[in-house]
Amino acid sequence: AQTVTQSQPEMSVQEAETVTLSCTYDTSENNYYLFWYKQPPSRQMILVIRQEAYKQQNATENRFSVNFQKAAKSFSLKISDSQLGDTAMYFCAFLRVSGGSNYKLTFGKGTLLTVNP
Amino acid sequence: ETGVTQSPTHLIKTRGQQVTLRCSSQSGHNTVSWYQQALGQGPQFIFQYYREEENGRGNFPPRFSGLQFPNYSSELNVNALELDDSALYLCASSLGGLTGNTIYFGEGSWLTVV
Repeated sequence: AQTVTQSQPEMSVQEAETVTLSCTYDTSENNYYLFWYKQPPSRQMILVIRQEAYKQQNATENRFSVNFQKAAKSFSLKISDSQLGDTAMYFCAFLRVSGGSNYKLTFGKGTLLTVNP
Repeated sequence: ETGVTQSPTHLIKTRGQQVTLRCSSQSGHNTVSWYQQALGQGPQFIFQYYREEENGRGNFPPRFSGLQFPNYSSELNVNALELDDSALYLCASSLGGLTGNTIYFGEGSWLTVV
């Protein structure tokens, strides 16, 4: 079974600054995907960024980037130029790649990020 | 907008009652998953349906059951409600055979059991 650990229950950052959220995972699989989801107070789970395990290059989406260390099973999220709208719960999630349509996501417990003006 | 809609958005039930939650998937998505998110926790996988058949289940008792219809909409049924069933229930739809970036979540149904 896979486990995902987010060791920072809460974090805060000043507007325009950079913040890094940590995530580690445990798996015996070699082929998988990792995700960061954002959940604002509206409760809608929004995909922020994804990383395929077979790709060594770190994924980047505008102000969001990841540091994927496969050997260390670490997957951190860096948010640059933080904005007030980034205030939300952030979840790290693991998806095992398998045949067929098995899309079970395993989530961490989340990190509550507050961006202060 | 993810194209995934859930109803109702909020409801209150009494312990022992039964509840049905509904999900309308994004058009063309043949796979739907349900997750339970307790307060302060990450979502936990309940089960998944692919082309109207259950093809994966998490660590939830049989009183949690589901259906997927030919139009790929879905229901989550919970019988004999317990206080611990109070949570946000999230529906996620995806197109089978593709990778995880096609998983779309609805806004969830808040269930309170009193």
